Amino acid sequence: DARVTQTPRHKVTEMGQEVTMRCQPILGHNTVFWYRQTMMQGLELLAYFRNRAPLDDSGMPKDRFSAEMPDATLATLKIQPSEPRDSAVYFCASGLYDYEQYFGPGTRLTVT
Amino acid sequence: AQSVTQLDSQVPVFEEAPVELRCNYSSSVSVYLFWYVQYPNQGLQLLLKYLSGSTLVKGINGFEAEFNKSQTSFHLRKPSVHISDTAEYFCAVSRTSGTYKYIFGTGTRLKVLA
Repeated sequence: DARVTQTPRHKVTEMGQEVTMRCQPILGHNTVFWYRQTMMQGLELLAYFRNRAPLDDSGMPKDRFSAEMPDATLATLKIQPSEPRDSAVYFCASGLYDYEQYFGPGTRLTVT
Repeated sequence: AQSVTQLDSQVPVFEEAPVELRCNYSSSVSVYLFWYVQYPNQGLQLLLKYLSGSTLVKGINGFEAEFNKSQTSFHLRKPSVHISDTAEYFCAVSRTSGTYKYIFGTGTRLKVLA
């Protein structure tokens, strides 16, 4: 049963620290999405990759967030420096076709 | 641009009763439509999707949805709910061409009561 994996599942860090979240898409999938979920804003799309190339990162605060796909089996989302308002659950999703998205279990980030 | 409205933030229903979760969308172009379910502390799981063809779509766990283009709706239904259906349900829309970003609704929390 192929699944999207995300690490870490939980992260507690202090304000100002760098945070790196990792995602392993389902083998063979060529699209990867990063979302942020909060009670106030709901699900927000942060970035979207196809064949490892970034197609849309308009939802991502550029000054502190960055997303990359160093290879087809790894997507990363970095926050530097982190702030308390970044506390949220971050989801990665992958798909073979653009209209399919299979979600990972998420990384719950708490910035104190 | 597309938008999605889930009209009910919470829906309480008794076990074995039918339920309908409402979703309306707005778009000037053709769209694909989706329903996802999120159980506590888990990611989103695809329940069903409408891409084309029959407007009645059947999904997992006994759920179905009907695409109504004239009313721009995609309501989710289940004839008899179980306690285990308690979760958050999200409706989403994407374009059928170009970029396929999902636009998610705000979610409906379904609470099944014993």
